[in-house]
Amino acid sequence: NAGVTQTPKFQVLKTGQSMTLQCAQDMNHEYMSWYRQDPGMGLRLIHYSVGAGITDQGEVPNGYNVSRSTTEDFPLRLLSAAPSQTSVYFCASSTAGRGGDEQYFGPGTRLTVT
Amino acid sequence: LAKTTQPISMDSYEGQEVNITCSHNNIATNDYITWYQQFPSQGPRFIIQGYKTKVTNEVASLFIPADRKSSTLSLPRVSLSDTAVYYCLVGGTSGTYKYIFGTGTRLKVLA
Repeated sequence: NAGVTQTPKFQVLKTGQSMTLQCAQDMNHEYMSWYRQDPGMGLRLIHYSVGAGITDQGEVPNGYNVSRSTTEDFPLRLLSAAPSQTSVYFCASSTAGRGGDEQYFGPGTRLTVT
Repeated sequence: LAKTTQPISMDSYEGQEVNITCSHNNIATNDYITWYQQFPSQGPRFIIQGYKTKVTNEVASLFIPADRKSSTLSLPRVSLSDTAVYYCLVGGTSGTYKYIFGTGTRLKVLA
């Protein structure tokens, strides 16, 4: 199993550009989520999904869109990049998102917006 | 959503036992308590999880008192490689799937 994979590892965008961060898991997990982590800070939940076709907002959803057309993939779209979105983005998955489930995290995508 | 509070940082020496306490006063009846470890430039990694009393695995122990309003992660005989940020996470029940991380505890192990 590859676990949770994220692409790209690094990305530099100019203000106003859009892009999609990719996340995939091969563990047949129902629950997937996106977090951002600013330098020296904790993780903040952006969006999450409890299954294909179902998504919901986390703590900081503004400026981001998600969709979940398959169990395996959960892409995160930045609509119009802003310098405030400079951060490291982590994708995670777990079996069902309930309290007893361990989350598996990807290696992260480091995004810089100039 | 149960909010968690942890000390911002802790220092310890190699070989010592380290205890990190997390406060979660609003924990719901069916919430689990989970601890994660994060090294720089990596995603968090699961350490241990529990519901009540004590849980032990090969790397840590988790102590949860009867009222479940706090929990303590215990790392026995830490080494330099245990230097990391440790997060306490509570929740994920009753249809609430928002896992909210707190600020974490930055543990520095000294030689």
